[in-house]
Amino acid sequence: GIQVEQSPPDLILQEGANSTLRCNFSDSVNNLQWFHQNPWGQLINLFYIPSGTKQNGRLSATTVATERYSLLYISSSQTTDSGVYFCAVVSIGNAGNMLTFGGGTRLMVKP
Amino acid sequence: DAGVTQSPTHLIKTRGQQVTLRCSPKSGHDTVSWYQQALGQGPQFIFQYYEEEERQRGNFPDRFSGHQFPNYSSELNVNALLLGDSALYLCASSWLTYEQYFGPGTRLTVT
Repeated sequence: GIQVEQSPPDLILQEGANSTLRCNFSDSVNNLQWFHQNPWGQLINLFYIPSGTKQNGRLSATTVATERYSLLYISSSQTTDSGVYFCAVVSIGNAGNMLTFGGGTRLMVKP
Repeated sequence: DAGVTQSPTHLIKTRGQQVTLRCSPKSGHDTVSWYQQALGQGPQFIFQYYEEEERQRGNFPDRFSGHQFPNYSSELNVNALLLGDSALYLCASSWLTYEQYFGPGTRLTVT
């Protein structure tokens, strides 16, 4: 099955700093989603981005499907950005939309 | 607009017992998926229901079974509980095979 790798696994930032999280996947995909998991376990949708670039406030994401990677940019980080960021993909040829998750990037933003 | 809801929030069971978890999808959604998230890992796909039938299944034993009702809500049943079944169980819903939205999860502890 498809493999999804995220880097870095852990990231510590000072409030106000910028960061880039990376997601590599081993095969062609139909869909790609980025999530933020808060300390209570809730997965919050950030982007639905099988290709191209999207922006939402201080966050933006770019997926280059032909090169099998996606990037999540966080600018002017805030303490509330802390948590785990997951990339998840649906591989091409999938009958449904089963998501395969990466291992996540654990972000801590210090005040 | 109510999001995805799950019940119960927390559950403690003993090895060998059976458990049923419940999920109500987001309004307008017809597809429900279940995921298991062990501590420190990304969610793993269990199975997906569409039109009251199991459409896809992940690498989980037959002890894990499910059901979807005519109103699109769903149940996850786990028989003969093992200590290793302790995890956060997440339900996600979508319209057809598009973007998935997750509920808050049920935290299951098996003692």
